[in-house]
Amino acid sequence: GAGVSQSPSNKVTEKGKDVELRCDPISGHTALYWYRQSLGQGLEFLIYFQGNSAPDKSGLPSDRFSAERTGGSVSTLTIQRTQQEDSAVYLCASSAGGGGIYEQYFGPGTRLTVT
Amino acid sequence: GENVEQHPSTLSVQEGDSAVIKCTYSDSASNYFPWYKQELGKRPQLIIDIRSNVGEKKDQRIAVTLNKTAKHFSLHITETQPEDSAVYFCAAIPSGGYNKLIFGAGTRLAVHP
Repeated sequence: GAGVSQSPSNKVTEKGKDVELRCDPISGHTALYWYRQSLGQGLEFLIYFQGNSAPDKSGLPSDRFSAERTGGSVSTLTIQRTQQEDSAVYLCASSAGGGGIYEQYFGPGTRLTVT
Repeated sequence: GENVEQHPSTLSVQEGDSAVIKCTYSDSASNYFPWYKQELGKRPQLIIDIRSNVGEKKDQRIAVTLNKTAKHFSLHITETQPEDSAVYFCAAIPSGGYNKLIFGAGTRLAVHP
């Protein structure tokens, strides 16, 4: 079946502009995660959704970052007033969730470059 | 909160040799430890994982060991092949119930023919 998809694959934006990144999880997966991978670095947790709720937003680096999920499916990560330090690959992952620990499947990521 | 440290940051081996990557974690309540392989420009993919109720798990040329007392776990790759060249990330799920992954910084493995 289809895996996790993300769009766009690449995004170049000017400093100060807002951007929206989209994630389509695997069908039926109730848990959705956003991570950030800076150049040559590990993956940093941003936010977790169970259904449409976000019980853990502890990784969002500032109030310029927000995310929502609708219909228990698609999620959008929004970065307002982008800064150069926001440049990174933003990865989305989904898992079966709902209690217990399940494998997280990653999308291909969106490479964000802020100029 | 949970902190995961990973060593070495780079590892170079000859084809056919073994490779070992080690990680330590800080949260003694962590109970799930996956390993992801990320090829250049690709998404991370799970290659093996271990839960806290076992000490070792094998899958063909790959094995993971867990020492809960010492709070460390290791990835072992035997008979390495050039296609094993990639960045490997260890991770742990801390206590708290949300299953977020806390990753190590990664190990860049190069297997030379």
